[in-house]
Amino acid sequence: RKEVEQDPGPFNVPEGATVAFNCTYSNSASQSFFWYRQDCRKEPKLLMSVYSSGNEDGRFTAQLNRASQYISLLIRDSKLSDSATYLCVVNDGRGSTLGRLYFGRGTQLTVWP
Amino acid sequence: NAGVTQTPKFQVLKTGQSMTLQCAQDMNHNSMYWYRQDPGMGLRLIYYSASEGTTDKGEVPNGYNVSRLNKREFSLRLESAAPSQTSVYFCASSVEHTALYGYTFGSGTRLTVV
Repeated sequence: RKEVEQDPGPFNVPEGATVAFNCTYSNSASQSFFWYRQDCRKEPKLLMSVYSSGNEDGRFTAQLNRASQYISLLIRDSKLSDSATYLCVVNDGRGSTLGRLYFGRGTQLTVWP
Repeated sequence: NAGVTQTPKFQVLKTGQSMTLQCAQDMNHNSMYWYRQDPGMGLRLIYYSASEGTTDKGEVPNGYNVSRLNKREFSLRLESAAPSQTSVYFCASSVEHTALYGYTFGSGTRLTVV
């Protein structure tokens, strides 16, 4: 079983649309959760951290459900510049032992005019 | 600019050649990582270094070696390149080994082995 599973996409939406991505993770001990954005032929960049209470950053809203081990990202009023691959990321929660992040395979979003 | 610097950005190797990918960070991070990214496979961890002086294997270490030269630098070596190692390689760093605050990535090295 993979550590992080994501909707594979692709999602193709018009400008102004609202789009949601979902992700599940397998390790109940995971402590940190993120959404990364990766543009074509570029490195992944941190979009936002995800907190238990949910958090918002402009048009982006992230939610975490620890009981269901489920993470979501909502993008409102999509822009052409939102076109990218979105990676769901969790840490392995091993605390003081060697830790690392696990990356989902990503969901590709294309916003068209 | 502060961040993670990888060199080279592009490389073409012949099968059997060796090379070292360089990575340096100037953010005083303790932990560093090497990933490869292939179409449809996502990011796969090759090796990581939780702190200066330690290194550990990730998911796909075969064919690679690493050196944590100092706190700033973490290199990846291909001793005898194979076509299966054609990929995009990303170096990343994090403040500490639990990665509670995420990673910062370098811009990548595109490697082709012919």
